[in-house]
Amino acid sequence: DAKTTQPNSMESNEEEPVHLPCNHSTISGTDYIHWYRQLPSQGPEYVIHGLTSNVNNRMASLAIAEDRKSSTLILHRATLRDAAVYYCIPAPGGSSNTGKLIFGQGTTLQVKP
Amino acid sequence: DGGITQSPKYLFRKEGQNVTLSCEQNLNHDAMYWYRQDPGQGLRLIYYSQIVNDFQKGDIAEGYSVSREKKESFPLTVTSAQKNPTAFYLCASIPGTGNEKLFFGSGTQLSVL
Repeated sequence: DAKTTQPNSMESNEEEPVHLPCNHSTISGTDYIHWYRQLPSQGPEYVIHGLTSNVNNRMASLAIAEDRKSSTLILHRATLRDAAVYYCIPAPGGSSNTGKLIFGQGTTLQVKP
Repeated sequence: DGGITQSPKYLFRKEGQNVTLSCEQNLNHDAMYWYRQDPGQGLRLIYYSQIVNDFQKGDIAEGYSVSREKKESFPLTVTSAQKNPTAFYLCASIPGTGNEKLFFGSGTQLSVL
């Protein structure tokens, strides 16, 4: 099972960009990198996912290292509503079933006004 | 709208009692998952199922049981063998491969009386 390492916590000021790192050095060649975020007492919410190229959507950008052993979730302008726990997880792609999807401890993002 | 429904939202268990948490999805997803979350902690995988009538243990399966008789349903039973069942339980599903996002239910908070 691919394992991930994320910082326990990070802080940001409102309206500033935030870069959330994730190390996934044991990822396989066909694993997608997913990011989710969770507010207290709620189920996680999908943020973004990608395979090799950088990805953008309305919520965030995902920068994937060339060797795919790490990735960075970028929130371009943090708002108070972005304060949450952020998880990165590898998920098998191609013709493979997803199998075990293991969440790490995640990064708790605090956003200061 | 398609989604995952977990019920009940809150559940109380008496000592020595088995309780069952419901998870139903109308997304036609093949794979379903159960996670446990303790306060301030990440998600830990209990059981997962990739097809009907088949399921595998996750990292903390002891004291839990599941069934997958129908594609849309994946109930979790917390047995009396689970000595510390108080936690937030989350159900998730994904179509089948990692190039799709995980959908989560809104969770069930289980407490011991």
